[in-house]
Amino acid sequence: AQSVTQLGSHVSVSEGALVLLRCNYSSSVPPYLFWYVQYPNQGLQLLLKYTTGATLVKGINGFEAEFKKSETSFHLTKPSAHMSDAAEYFCAVWPPSGAGSYQLTFGKGTKLSVIP
Amino acid sequence: DSGVTQTPKHLITATGQRVTLRCSPRSGDLSVYWYQQSLDQGLQFLIQYYNGEERAKGNILERFSAQQFPDLHSELNLSSLELGDSALYFCASSQAGGSYNEQFFGPGTRLTVL
Repeated sequence: AQSVTQLGSHVSVSEGALVLLRCNYSSSVPPYLFWYVQYPNQGLQLLLKYTTGATLVKGINGFEAEFKKSETSFHLTKPSAHMSDAAEYFCAVWPPSGAGSYQLTFGKGTKLSVIP
Repeated sequence: DSGVTQTPKHLITATGQRVTLRCSPRSGDLSVYWYQQSLDQGLQFLIQYYNGEERAKGNILERFSAQQFPDLHSELNLSSLELGDSALYFCASSQAGGSYNEQFFGPGTRLTVL
């Protein structure tokens, strides 16, 4: 079964500082990888996804993530945090073809606070 | 706005009761997914329907059931409710039934069981 680990349930950064949210997955075959964002009292919105091809993926709102197979990681970064980035971020995996149960498995989430 | 609608927004009920949550997918989307989000369990996949048929099942309790109607809207029925069922229930939709199609999430229904 797929699993996703997000290191740090809460991360605080200063406005303008680098944002780094960590995600590791457990799978012998690389799955498809996603980052979603949840703003307060809202549903989830897709930030970016990795399926195949280029390992550095750019998403919305200036976020990007790099797939590193050797580290089984898919960390999310943004060079300069903005107050509007304060939200909860979820890493999710979808199993590769033939790997069984087709469902999104989410990490526990990381709540990002941005300090003015 | 994702285009996915969920009603009601909030629901307060008592233990032992039964409730129905409703979801309308984005126009053109054939798949509907249900998720439960709680503080202790996080975000968990419950069940997926594709064009009226059950496609995948996750951690859905036997007290819970769902269906997708010919107009593609879906309902999640929760019965014999327990305090632990209090959670945010999300519906998501996508164009197709499998692979890595982007799922668009609704705003959720917050269920409180007293």
